[in-house]
Amino acid sequence: AQSVTQLDSHVSVSEGTPVLLRCNYSSSYSPSLFWYVQHPNKGLQLLLKYTSAATLVKGINGFEAEFKKSETSFHLTKPSAHMSDAAEYFCVVSYQTGNQFYFGTGTSLTVIP
Amino acid sequence: AAGVIQSPRHLIKEKRETATLKCYPIPRHDTVYWYQQGPGQDPQFLISFYEKMQSDKGSIPDRFSAQQFSDYHSELNMSSLELGDSALYFCASSLFPGLKANTEAFFGQGTRLTVV
Repeated sequence: AQSVTQLDSHVSVSEGTPVLLRCNYSSSYSPSLFWYVQHPNKGLQLLLKYTSAATLVKGINGFEAEFKKSETSFHLTKPSAHMSDAAEYFCVVSYQTGNQFYFGTGTSLTVIP
Repeated sequence: AAGVIQSPRHLIKEKRETATLKCYPIPRHDTVYWYQQGPGQDPQFLISFYEKMQSDKGSIPDRFSAQQFSDYHSELNMSSLELGDSALYFCASSLFPGLKANTEAFFGQGTRLTVV
């Protein structure tokens, strides 16, 4: 089965400390991997995507993600959290064999002042 | 830059009524997706279209139907509305992922449907 797992439903960090949001995927096909962010009552914004050009992907707002094929992981990180980072984050996978984007269950990030 | 446009942004309907949601993809995008997001939930895939043909189907109720038109815009028709249909409905567009790997989807702002 093709699926994506976000290991933490809630993550809470202090402002200025690192952020780690975990994502694992499972599939027998090479996936396309993305992270999207959703602020309250807003749409979904693409943070970054894995393009196979490099295993470490840089996105907007200082976020990065590292693709580790051996671990089937695509964890999202940021060195220093900002209050404006508080939002819901979705790890998303797609495959060339289908035509939909598979969402993880989301991780709610809280940033404590 | 042009984004995915959804209309209306908000819609209130009574039970058993019908609703039509519209989606205008980014120019030159040939693929449209519909997702339903309930309160506090992740988006659930409903259906997608490529070049006006249904290309994938998810958990779309039989009461719902959708189509993509010649100008690539799409409409989601919802009949016999139920209270449980209240949700945020997202449309997304992309180039066809089957032709180009790592193609991302661009999401609209969503239509918030409230069924009372």
